[in-house]
Amino acid sequence: QKEVEQNSGPLSVPEGAIASLNCTYSDRGSQSFFWYRQYSGKSPELIMFIYSNGDKEDGRFTAQLNKASQYVSLLIRDSQPSDSATYLCAVRGEGGKLIFGQGTELSVKP
Amino acid sequence: EAQVTQNPRYLITVTGKKLTVTCSQNMNHEYMSWYRQDPGLGLRQIYYSMNVEVTDKGDVPEGYKVSRKEKRNFPLILESPSPNQTSLYFCASSLLRDWGLSGELFFGEGSRLTVL
Repeated sequence: QKEVEQNSGPLSVPEGAIASLNCTYSDRGSQSFFWYRQYSGKSPELIMFIYSNGDKEDGRFTAQLNKASQYVSLLIRDSQPSDSATYLCAVRGEGGKLIFGQGTELSVKP
Repeated sequence: EAQVTQNPRYLITVTGKKLTVTCSQNMNHEYMSWYRQDPGLGLRQIYYSMNVEVTDKGDVPEGYKVSRKEKRNFPLILESPSPNQTSLYFCASSLLRDWGLSGELFFGEGSRLTVL
């Protein structure tokens, strides 16, 4: 089992809809979780981080963490075509390790 | 301008010919790391460094070497490249304080390496 798993997609949603991206992780001791966005041909950039169970909101983005079920999700409200990108879930490991999932490609259709 | 600079951006080489991909950051970051990105596999960590002269293996270190003699530079060395090292490579850096808090990494633009 991979340490961090995501559905590779592509996930297609209409403009204005809610996009829901999911991620599961295998290490029950993991404490820190991150969502990076990567536009095609570009470098990843951090959009959200979450440490505590529950929801964390930042503008149109909400990260949700459920440590008991070992999943973390990212909701994007009022999706825009500019949100079309690959979303990478990452979990901090021991020392300086940061473990990424394979990424979910999101396509927002006008 | 704050940035992480990788060179070369594109390289085609042949099996066994030693090469170095340089990475330099101008933000006085303690933490630096190398990743490779392959279709369907996401980003996989090769090596990381928490500070000068301190390096540790990531998840896929085989076939790679690194060194951290200066704070700003973190070169990735492929002593004897093989075709399975054909990939897109990213260097990233962070302040240790920020790494601990938000996990934010600043990525270079990537280096696309092809080994024939």
